[in-house]
This record gives sequence, C-alpha cells and structure tokens, in this order.
Amino acid sequence: GEDVEQSLFLSVREGDSSVINCTYTDSSSTYLYWYKQEPGAGLQLLTYIFSNMDMKQDQRLTVLLNKKDKHLSLRIADTQTGDSAIYFCAESGSGGGADGLTFGKGTHLIIQP
Amino acid sequence: NAGVTQTPKFQVLKTGQSMTLQCAQDMNHEYMSWYRQDPGMGLRLIHYSVGAGITDQGEVPNGYNVSRSTTEDFPLRLLSAAPSQTSVYFCASTGEREFYSNQPQHFGDGTRLSIL
Repeated sequence: GEDVEQSLFLSVREGDSSVINCTYTDSSSTYLYWYKQEPGAGLQLLTYIFSNMDMKQDQRLTVLLNKKDKHLSLRIADTQTGDSAIYFCAESGSGGGADGLTFGKGTHLIIQP
Repeated sequence: NAGVTQTPKFQVLKTGQSMTLQCAQDMNHEYMSWYRQDPGMGLRLIHYSVGAGITDQGEVPNGYNVSRSTTEDFPLRLLSAAPSQTSVYFCASTGEREFYSNQPQHFGDGTRLSIL
C-alpha cells in the first residue's frame, strides 16, 4: 500500500526555524496535508498544498513540495513553546481524500528554551 | 454549524462487549471515514464511505463493522471488543465542494476507548 514517512522527533531552540520533513509514495496524490496535535487533543489542520504547487506560505508556515522526489516539508519560522506538538503529514491519494487519507506516524517537535 | 460530532468522548469496555461509536456530520458531506490512532503509529484508516449505502475497508478493518444508512451518520461497531482495540478513534468527513476550500477534511474530536 501507499506509505508516508516522517522522522519521529525534532528538537529545536526557541526562536529558531523548525523544518519537518515527509516523504510519500503515491505520486497521484492530489493534496498533501500538515496536521498538528497537542497532547490529549484532536487534529488541527495547519495547512495543505495542492499537488500542482511547489510552495505555499501562510504566516510563519512554509510548505515546500518536491513532486519529483515525493518530498514535502513544513518550515515553522521563529518557533515558540506553543508549537510543541506532534505534526502529521498526510496524503489524499488520487481521490482527493474521498476514500480517506494516509498519515505518517508523526514528528514530535520538542522546543528547547 | 456543529461540523463532525463524535460520541461518546470516553468509554471503557470489558473484553467481549459490543459497542457502537457514533459519528454525525451536518454539512451534507458525501464522504466519511474512521481512523484509529495508536502511540507511534499515526492515524490508520479503518473504514470509509463514499455515500449513503456504500462502505469499503481501509487499512485496518478487522474487528469493526460500519454502515451508512443516511448521509449524516456513519457509526462504527465493535462486535466483540478486544484489548488490541484500545485506541483513540477519529471520524472525518469531506465533500466535493470542500476540496478547494480552506478546510478540505473535517475531523471530530475523537473517542478515547479502553478495553479491559
């Protein structure tokens, strides 16, 4: 089946930029997502990108998509303690998400003071 | 506009008991899905539905049944609960008109289920 891979942990200093990486295998994916989950909470959509785009910026968040290498990244500028969470990469497949999403296992972002 | 509503929020069951997790959406979405989340595993798709009367299996369907008799509701049934089904369960919905919106997928808040 299709697969989404992420590193399990990332540690950054407060104020630095965080870059969370993701690779996926389904080249037909229409959408690629980044979700944030804080402890004990549900999923919060951070941003998503269409497969025909290579970059999307939204305030402190920048998403880069390399479709050739099937690589997606999320950059968080000026990382704050409130950014501490698990970040999930997900892809929609060719159906746009009608038949569900495939998630990575999540990257734990740890903020050092 | 309530979005996706999951009930209950928490539940403890004994092994062998049956239970239905409820999921309802009021956005007239065609597509609904169920996921389970386990530590270190991310979210895995259990079952999904592309419309009323139509369901299909996801990555981890064993031990679960679903039905979609209405557009609004997509219940998930555990016929004989097992400790391996201890997890957090999320329901999601989306529709054709959502694909180009700023919220392509809508998730419920989750149901935390423990099987003893």
